[in-house]
Amino acid sequence: DTGVSQNPRHKITKRGQNVTFRCDPISEHNRLYWYRQTLGQGPEFLTYFQNEAQLEKSRLLSDRFSAERPKGSFSTLEIQRTEQGDSAMYLCASSLPRLAGSSTDTQYFGPGTRLTVL
Amino acid sequence: GNSVTQMEGPVTLSEEAFLTINCTYTATGYPSLFWYVQYPGEGLQLLLKATKADDKGSNKGFEATYRKETTSFHLEKGSVQVSDSAVYFCALSRGAGGTSYGKLTFGQGTILTVHP
Repeated sequence: DTGVSQNPRHKITKRGQNVTFRCDPISEHNRLYWYRQTLGQGPEFLTYFQNEAQLEKSRLLSDRFSAERPKGSFSTLEIQRTEQGDSAMYLCASSLPRLAGSSTDTQYFGPGTRLTVL
Repeated sequence: GNSVTQMEGPVTLSEEAFLTINCTYTATGYPSLFWYVQYPGEGLQLLLKATKADDKGSNKGFEATYRKETTSFHLEKGSVQVSDSAVYFCALSRGAGGTSYGKLTFGQGTILTVHP
């Protein structure tokens, strides 16, 4: 088990370009989360998948953001027409709850993708 | 909505000093409470958790007790080490029965620096 991996680790792009990040969760973890962390702040929830179903999206996730988890394994987060305000660390986490509906499952975080929009 | 407030940092201590990082929360229902740690250059790691009132979470010498009456989950350690230098995040997740189970709400983080 290699843990949660994220690619790329760093991305520099120009304003207006599209970017896509990938997250590979721990195998067999059915829950997958995306968070965004800006400098000096705690992570903020973006979206959540249970298997391939996207069950919740934050109001932070504007129409320019889209996330998928097509086969219930890896996930992608795409940002279209990037803006300077999108510069942040994008974190992915996965978990496998022991009980359905549990809120106490341990989330394992990846190292994050740092996005810089010039 | 749900929120978490941590004491402002940074916190600077000498080795073997006593550590307290305050955390208070606002939440509907019965949240679970967590402390995560982020060491320099690494990802977030779960340090400890508590799932109901009066529970005490503990790990690596750190402790925190879920106090529903004061809506607090303060992190303590009796004797810190240089290797404890990191950023500490308090977080909550909503209780069972809500649709946001598992989703974490984080505080802003507290930077801890321990000097030899």
